[in-house]
Amino acid sequence: TQLLEQSPQFLSIQEGENLTVYCNSSSVFSSLQWYRQEPGEGPVLLVTVVTGGEVKKLKRLTFQFGDARKDSSLHITAAQPGDTGLYLCAGATSGTYKYIFGTGTRLKVLA
Amino acid sequence: EAGVVQSPRYKIIEKKQPVAFWCNPISGHNTLYWYLQNLGQGPELLIRYENEEAVDDSQLPKDRFSAERLKGVDSTLKIQPAELGDSAVYLCASSSSRGGETQYFGPGTRLLVL
Repeated sequence: TQLLEQSPQFLSIQEGENLTVYCNSSSVFSSLQWYRQEPGEGPVLLVTVVTGGEVKKLKRLTFQFGDARKDSSLHITAAQPGDTGLYLCAGATSGTYKYIFGTGTRLKVLA
Repeated sequence: EAGVVQSPRYKIIEKKQPVAFWCNPISGHNTLYWYLQNLGQGPELLIRYENEEAVDDSQLPKDRFSAERLKGVDSTLKIQPAELGDSAVYLCASSSSRGGETQYFGPGTRLLVL
């Protein structure tokens, strides 16, 4: 069974601080996605990475796919209260169309 | 463009009662997903449809859960009878095609079984 472990599970930081969330697995993924979910809403896709070592930036968010395509990280620079939410990674293995979601990281940014 | 619509948004029932959730995907999206999400955790796929065909229902507890997608548009997920452990958020998502495409999620139905 594929398992995507995210760390940390919870994170509470002050506005302006930097943070990194990790997503790790023993499986190789053909693509990996990051989502943010706010209370009472469904997850919203932030980015998809498909190439080992790929780095994508979305404003203050930087996403990296591991060279071996088994892990990924999300780095937020100068966090804002609006970044608060549940961050989820999701990976799909080659030949499947099924994304397995990670365990989630709940981020709270205090003003 | 309207997003994925789900109803009801909240449902409270007593155990052993039946319950049904409805999903209307984004217009033109052939692929529809039903997920279960427990509090603070990632969604778990229950069933995936390509048009009206259920192409992956390996995670659906078929003894009490059923789903249908008549005419390949709207979908209904049913639980009968509901158990206490079924309390969770049931998310519906749709995408324009299978395989790495963006999934658009609805707001979910929050179920509480008493």
